[in-house]
Amino acid sequence: ETGVTQTPRHLVMGMTNKKSLKCEQHLGHNAMYWYKQSAKKPLELMFVYNFKEQTENNSVPSRFSPECPNSSHLFLHLHTLQPEDSALYLCASSREGGPGNTIYFGEGSWLTVV
Amino acid sequence: AQSVAQPEDQVNVAEGNPLTVKCTYSVSGNPYLFWYVQYPNRGLQFLLKYITGDNLVKGSYGFEAEFNKSQTSFHLKKPSALVSDSALYFCAVRDRSYGGATNKLIFGTGTLLAVQP
Repeated sequence: ETGVTQTPRHLVMGMTNKKSLKCEQHLGHNAMYWYKQSAKKPLELMFVYNFKEQTENNSVPSRFSPECPNSSHLFLHLHTLQPEDSALYLCASSREGGPGNTIYFGEGSWLTVV
Repeated sequence: AQSVAQPEDQVNVAEGNPLTVKCTYSVSGNPYLFWYVQYPNRGLQFLLKYITGDNLVKGSYGFEAEFNKSQTSFHLKKPSALVSDSALYFCAVRDRSYGGATNKLIFGTGTLLAVQP
C-alpha cells in the first residue's frame, strides 16, 4: 500500500480508442505528477499539478490530456495513441513546497497500444 | 545542465556480501538526492534521501547512502545483500532550476541489482 492508487493496472487499447487512467492519493498531498517509464529510457516527467493547477507540461503531445479535479485525484485521458506510447505510466504525489519533499509513486498503469 | 548518472547498468553480488550501487550528480549549489527501488511490475518505492546534515543517510530495508560532496557522489550501500533486494534502483536529484513549489526530480537510468543465492 503506497498511498497512491492507480487504475487500471493494465490497459490494452487500439489507436482509435479513447481511454483514461485514474490516480488517487490518500496522503494529504497537494502536488501530483504523471511520469512515463519506457524500456531503456530514464523516467520522463509529463505533467505536474500543484493545488489543482497545472504547473508543468513537459512538451507532451496533445493526445495525452491530464485532468486534476482536486488535490487527491488525477486523470490522464488518452486518445489516438501510437504504438510507441506503450509504456508504464506512473502517478505520484508530494507535499507542496520544500525542496526536499519526497515524491511517492503509485504502482503504475501498464499501457499497450495496438 | 543538472544531471544524475548511474554508471552501471547491472550489479551482481552474492547473498550475504556487501553491495554498492553508484550514483554521481551534477547540480549547481547544494543537491537534494534520492534513491528509489522498483521491483518487477511495480511502481517506484522511496528508499532514502539526503537534504542536509549527516553525510551517511539511513533508509528502508537496511539500505544507506553516503553523500560525498567532493566526489559529487551518492552511492547506495547495504552491508549484507539479500536475494529479495534484487530489483531496479534509481538515483534522483532535485532540479534546482525549477522554481515552482513542486519537487521536480531528475532520474538516472537505473541500475539492476542481481543478488545470487
